[in-house]
Amino acid sequence: DVKVTQSSRYLVKRTGEKVFLECVQDMDHENMFWYRQDPGLGLRLIYFSYDVKMKEKGDIPEGYSVSREKKERFSLILESASTNQTSMYLCASSQGQGGYGYTFGSGTRLTVV
Amino acid sequence: QKEVEQNSGPLSVPEGAIASLNCTYSDRGSQSFFWYRQYSGKSPELIMFIYSNGDKEDGRFTAQLNKASQYVSLLIRDSQPSDSATYLCAVRGGGADGLTFGKGTHLIIQP
Repeated sequence: DVKVTQSSRYLVKRTGEKVFLECVQDMDHENMFWYRQDPGLGLRLIYFSYDVKMKEKGDIPEGYSVSREKKERFSLILESASTNQTSMYLCASSQGQGGYGYTFGSGTRLTVV
Repeated sequence: QKEVEQNSGPLSVPEGAIASLNCTYSDRGSQSFFWYRQYSGKSPELIMFIYSNGDKEDGRFTAQLNKASQYVSLLIRDSQPSDSATYLCAVRGGGADGLTFGKGTHLIIQP
């Protein structure tokens, strides 16, 4: 089975800090995604990547950036954390264009105080 | 803007009954359809996918697809309390931008 590992399950950061969320997948998938999930708003796509060093903006990229230096690793960066970025962050990967669905990591619950 | 619509619920079903979850989508070019289950505080896990019109069965789960009506559903037979979760419908459109998710239906199975 594909495994998608997110480095932290829970994080508490202060407003203004630079925050790194790491995601690693072990099945050589080309595509990786970062979502945030908030009650009533569902899953919202932040950024995605179809290849190493590639990145594409999703629906809500403001305040975030990403890095994909290696195929298996996709990092989400909060340049200057704000309280409205408190959320559950989910990383996912897929083979191809998602025709086989996504596999999600276990999520990172980020609280910005 | 591609949209995937689900009734948010909660949908309450007695244990042992059939739970029926519904989803509609806006993109007629959609090709692949997925159902994810998400327990509270956990990440979504894929439980079913369907590509062709008709029914697809896997154990107690049946996915149904009607492309003409742009409608996909998930039936859970012999519902168990462990089926209580939020169910997300996801659709892959005709383009290259991956999956679009609905906001999910909260299902409660009453013992």
